[in-house]
Amino acid sequence: DIQMTQSPSSLSASVGDRVTITCQASQDISNYLNWYQQKPGKAPKLLLYDASNLETGVPSRFSGSGSGTNFTFTISSLQPEDIATYYCQQYDNLPLTFGPGTKVDIK
Amino acid sequence: EVQLVESGGGLIQPGGSLRLSCAASGFAVSGHYMSWVRQAPGKGLEWVSIIYSAGTTYYADSVQGRFTISRDKSKNTLYLQINSLRAEDTAVYYCARVHLWHMDVWGKGTTVTVSS
Repeated sequence: DIQMTQSPSSLSASVGDRVTITCQASQDISNYLNWYQQKPGKAPKLLLYDASNLETGVPSRFSGSGSGTNFTFTISSLQPEDIATYYCQQYDNLPLTFGPGTKVDIK
Repeated sequence: EVQLVESGGGLIQPGGSLRLSCAASGFAVSGHYMSWVRQAPGKGLEWVSIIYSAGTTYYADSVQGRFTISRDKSKNTLYLQINSLRAEDTAVYYCARVHLWHMDVWGKGTTVTVSS
């Protein structure tokens, strides 16, 4: 199975700050990576697919990059509504696997 | 409107069985890959199962042999039959549409609690 790791596990930042989360795969997954946002008590929501493609309707302050084993997710200017846990997920191989999540809150 | 609505969760004793349903609207379940993902209390997301549009199914090792994913074209509904329930199966179960290998539509989830 492909193991996904994320760092940090949590972060606290101010409104307007640039926030960066990293995701690492245990083997080369090309760009077969998705990013999801999950707000407390809610279902996950797809933000980015294929490592860097923004899902329709998702604000452009969210972006992603990377390929192979190392990926980055960025919020260019943190907004109060971005308080959530963010997960990366690989689809290079079954079983599909998620990272452990990064909890983002406002300082 | 494209939507998924799960149902069927509840409190069940260890060793029991349950069938979860996921009713779709706005698209055909049989024409898409569909998946179940679960989330234990306070934990992260765990992929459970997938059914391809052609009908092929796959499972996480943790549920292989106990869970069965299926669909009913006439009811436009996805199912997850869960047997031999264990305490560690306690979770919110989400169904999701899988489009080009990304889960683009999610239901709100149904809660399964395994306890005596």
